[in-house]
Amino acid sequence: DGGITQSPKYLFRKEGQNVTLSCEQNLNHDAMYWYRQDPGQGLRLIYYSQIVNDFQKGDIAEGYSVSREKKESFPLTVTSAQKNPTAFYLCASGWHLYGYTFGSGTRLTVV
Amino acid sequence: QKEVEQNSGPLSVPEGAIASLNCTYSDRGSQSFFWYRQYSGKSPELIMFIYSNGDKEDGRFTAQLNKASQYVSLLIRDSQPSDSATYLCAVIITDRGSTLGRLYFGRGTQLTVWP
Repeated sequence: DGGITQSPKYLFRKEGQNVTLSCEQNLNHDAMYWYRQDPGQGLRLIYYSQIVNDFQKGDIAEGYSVSREKKESFPLTVTSAQKNPTAFYLCASGWHLYGYTFGSGTRLTVV
Repeated sequence: QKEVEQNSGPLSVPEGAIASLNCTYSDRGSQSFFWYRQYSGKSPELIMFIYSNGDKEDGRFTAQLNKASQYVSLLIRDSQPSDSATYLCAVIITDRGSTLGRLYFGRGTQLTVWP
């Protein structure tokens, strides 16, 4: 089945630790996005990529990094520079003519 | 001015009524508009997309677009308790000097449909 998969579903990060969130899609989409959602808030854009080996910063890129080495994969690393990383992280892929599909999300908690 | 703005609500309607959700956007060059539904604790799901001025209907949902007024709306007819969710408006905001854009979301409107 075609779809977009995020893993893990839950992730716990210790202070000063880098963690990587996985996002994989088999929908043959060029565009992929990472968003952060805090309780009761909308989606804020972290990074996006329109093509392999290229990506752009969103509004809240500080403390995060990404790579796009393959069309199917767009992993997000939450670095120790991100001081308040506890949030719901959402990955999406799609095309501007038909819309974007979201993965099921990763809940990151600092312990 | 934020790129995409929605009435934060909450909006409460009785079962069987029409729910009306509104969204304005700042980029006159925007061409693609989307409505997502998000249940509590879940990821958003796409319910409608629209590109042309006017109305687009899909079952109980109607999306309306007015590019001159930079306004997009979603009507839900015969509202059901299962429609209770947060509805997110999303717009492709074009990057300057590029034909590509980024997908921006409003903060969402929480809808409650009571029996």
